Amino acid sequence: AQTVTQSQPEMSVQEAETVTLSCTYDTSESDYYLFWYKQPPSRQMILVIRQEAYKQQNATENRFSVNFQKAAKSFSLKISDSQLGDAAMYFCAYRSAASGSRLTFGEGTQLTVNP
Amino acid sequence: GAGVSQTPSNKVTEKGKYVELRCDPISGHTALYWYRQSLGQGPEFLIYFQGTGAADDSGLPNDRFFAVRPEGSVSTLKIQRTERGDSAVYLCASSSGPGSFTEAFFGQGTRLTVV
Repeated sequence: AQTVTQSQPEMSVQEAETVTLSCTYDTSESDYYLFWYKQPPSRQMILVIRQEAYKQQNATENRFSVNFQKAAKSFSLKISDSQLGDAAMYFCAYRSAASGSRLTFGEGTQLTVNP
Repeated sequence: GAGVSQTPSNKVTEKGKYVELRCDPISGHTALYWYRQSLGQGPEFLIYFQGTGAADDSGLPNDRFFAVRPEGSVSTLKIQRTERGDSAVYLCASSSGPGSFTEAFFGQGTRLTVV
């Protein structure tokens, strides 16, 4: 079974600064996908960024980028120029390449952005 | 609808009662997932529907939990003889197909409290 670990229960960053959230995972599969989701107090999970394991190039979406290290099974999220609206719970998630497979989530990191 | 809709938003029930939680997926989405999120944890997979059939129900914790999707659209999660340990946020997600890189869109969840 796959597992996802987020070792930072809480992180804080100053507005306009950069913060990195850590995620490691364990799997015996070679083909899979990784995701970062944001969950504000509204509870709705919002996709931030996703990465295909077979791609060496790290995914980027505007101020969000990832550092994907397949051999180390590490998938960190970097948020640049942090904004107050970035404050939320962030979840790292794993999905097998098998069709219709579930998402396996980490425990989450609560991000606080200080003005 | 424009997004995934879950009703009710909050539900308080007495121990031993029966509850139904409803999920209206995005129109046309064939894949539907239910997850359970306990306080301070990441979501945990419960069941996956492709069309009308449950393609994977391995996450249902016991036989008190059951879900249906009779017409391949709206889904209902049913919990019999509720226990205090069932208290959690129940999240529903839908996607346009079973492909693993297909984005899953989440609803805002139903917060179930068993007293």
